[in-house]
Amino acid sequence: DIQMTQSPSSLSASVGDRVTITCRASQGISNSLAWYQQKPGKAPKLLLYAASRLESGVPSRFSGSGSGTDYTLTISSLQPEDFATYYCQQYYSTPPNTFGQGTKLEIK
Amino acid sequence: QVQLQESGPGLVKPSETLSLTCAVSGYSISSGYYWGWIRQPPGKGLEWIGSIYHSGSTYYNPSLKSRVTISVDTSKNQFSLKLSSVTAADTAVYYCARHTYYYDSSGYSDYWGQGTLVTVSS
Repeated sequence: DIQMTQSPSSLSASVGDRVTITCRASQGISNSLAWYQQKPGKAPKLLLYAASRLESGVPSRFSGSGSGTDYTLTISSLQPEDFATYYCQQYYSTPPNTFGQGTKLEIK
Repeated sequence: QVQLQESGPGLVKPSETLSLTCAVSGYSISSGYYWGWIRQPPGKGLEWIGSIYHSGSTYYNPSLKSRVTISVDTSKNQFSLKLSSVTAADTAVYYCARHTYYYDSSGYSDYWGQGTLVTVSS
């Protein structure tokens, strides 16, 4: 299985801040990476796929980049509704499509 | 708009079989995509369980493969999960989701059900 490691595990930030979350794969995944946002008691919501492609309806303050084994999710200017837990997922090697352990983004 | 809705018992006894169904509306399963299950133990992260194509082709997480069966009923536009010999470690919120088609296998999940909590307890 490909292991996905996210950092940090938790992060405190303020409205308006620029935030970056990192996801590292145990082997190259050729940009086959998705990012999800999950709020308490809700299902995850797809934000980006193919490492950098924004899902329809997702605000442009979310962006993704990376290649090989290292990928990042950036939120350019945090909004109150962005405080949530974020997960990366690789789909390069199935099965299984492994998730990172999550990054909890909290209000400072 | 694609919608998915999980249904099934919220309480299962240890050693028994967990059975869940996901009803899909707004899209015909026969039209394509993979359809699958992901779970999340309380307070923990996401675990991919497996997926199925409308033809019946399946992919399962190797860690669960010996206990998991995913099936599809295109006539009812729904798919199902069975997980046998459950223990307390299988207590989780179970989500059904539509998985994109990626190089003849299962990709990322673009539509999700709301999730259903299944507790394993006697």
